[in-house]
Amino acid sequence: EAGVAQSPRYKIIEKRQSVAFWCNPISGHATLYWYQQILGQGPKLLIQFQNNGVVDDSQLPKDRFSAERLKGVDSTLKIQPAKLEDSAVYLCASSLMGGNTEAFFGQGTRLTVV
Amino acid sequence: KNQVEQSPQSLIILEGKNCTLQCNYTVSPFSNLRWYKQDTGRGPVSLTIMTFSENTKSNGRYTATLDADTKQSSLHITASQLSDSASYICVVSATHRYPSGGSYIPTFGRGTSLIVHP
Repeated sequence: EAGVAQSPRYKIIEKRQSVAFWCNPISGHATLYWYQQILGQGPKLLIQFQNNGVVDDSQLPKDRFSAERLKGVDSTLKIQPAKLEDSAVYLCASSLMGGNTEAFFGQGTRLTVV
Repeated sequence: KNQVEQSPQSLIILEGKNCTLQCNYTVSPFSNLRWYKQDTGRGPVSLTIMTFSENTKSNGRYTATLDADTKQSSLHITASQLSDSASYICVVSATHRYPSGGSYIPTFGRGTSLIVHP
């Protein structure tokens, strides 16, 4: 079974530039999550989708971050404009239905803002 | 506010030794608690999951315990191996009702960085 795919693996941009990350979840998984993991910290949930609907985006900085999951499958996370403090690993995860089902993580995209 | 605190922040042990990692939480209403292992440069991978009624769960050399009364969990690693070097993250999930239906909100701890030396 293929895992959660993310791209790119690494990205370096200047502050105030825009960047987009892509995630392809495991086939059949209804729930998709985006996490931000700053070095030395645990992942922080940014947004959670159930199919193509948003169920939690309370910690998403909506003035600069946006995410969509068209057709309830792939998802993109965008940052515009980027700030230095956005430097982190962005992890995508998916699970069958949320709840007690296990979330499987991708390898993440490491973003460096200079 | 839901919080998950882990200790120690980092730990260095010799290969073959045992160790125990701690997790204290204030998450409500409690749904489940998972321990994840995160290798450097990789996404987290689930080791164990426990619900309210479970107090011990094993996965090979990993044994997790849960005391729902004191809101504490521990992860015990037996006969450590070099490949156990990783970050171990405690994740506690709360049930939540959204207008669109039920779901759960995971709260991640900061993790314990374990280094196993030969």
